[in-house]
Amino acid sequence: ETGVTQTPRHLVMGMTNKKSLKCEQHLGHNAMYWYKQSAKKPLELMFVYSLEERVENNSVPSRFSPECPNSSHLFLHLHTLQPEDSALYLCASSPDRGEWEQYFGPGTRLTVT
Amino acid sequence: DQQVKQNSPSLSVQEGRISILNCDYTNSMFDYFLWYKKYPAEGPTFLISISSIKDKNEDGRFTVFLNKSAKHLSLHIVPSQPGDSAVYFCAARENYGGSQGNLIFGKGTKLSVKP
Repeated sequence: ETGVTQTPRHLVMGMTNKKSLKCEQHLGHNAMYWYKQSAKKPLELMFVYSLEERVENNSVPSRFSPECPNSSHLFLHLHTLQPEDSALYLCASSPDRGEWEQYFGPGTRLTVT
Repeated sequence: DQQVKQNSPSLSVQEGRISILNCDYTNSMFDYFLWYKKYPAEGPTFLISISSIKDKNEDGRFTVFLNKSAKHLSLHIVPSQPGDSAVYFCAARENYGGSQGNLIFGKGTKLSVKP
């Protein structure tokens, strides 16, 4: 596998479920990001990790919980979500934090019922 | 309030003609501007960038123009090809006194190139 991969590609969950999104990058990058893309809205930055340390939490509700066990893997743990959380969740990486070119995964299309 | 604006949600162009995608921004602390291209079911991929100290950058069929006084940038694709049909996102990077920040994205413009 090369680049940035995300699993699952599609996820449907109820509001009381707990699920996790996974992201893996094979680029040797030090920074990883979670973005949310809702319909007709810009990509919104959610979290930034640099060298496995969370350096930014962009006012994201606590029902979204990120985890970065190493520089190649990033998770987004989801619990008690709301229907308005339905969106495309994109993971990205860059050589270091602040690099202007980011490499994106294909995204997970999440539907909360 | 949106700092990066793409006011045209869609654009349709004939193959072989020029496509011009526009982007406006409000934050004078942006130091780098980028265009990303996104096909359905794929993540955005980097296309071309321009530093705030330049006014033009060219890469093959793609040219980005920056007008700092107007806080406006545009992406020109010439000649346009059907494979260019995608959503194009404008993005800008914040720079606060040497501390580089995050990318701020626009909503995207969907380009359709008709054969």
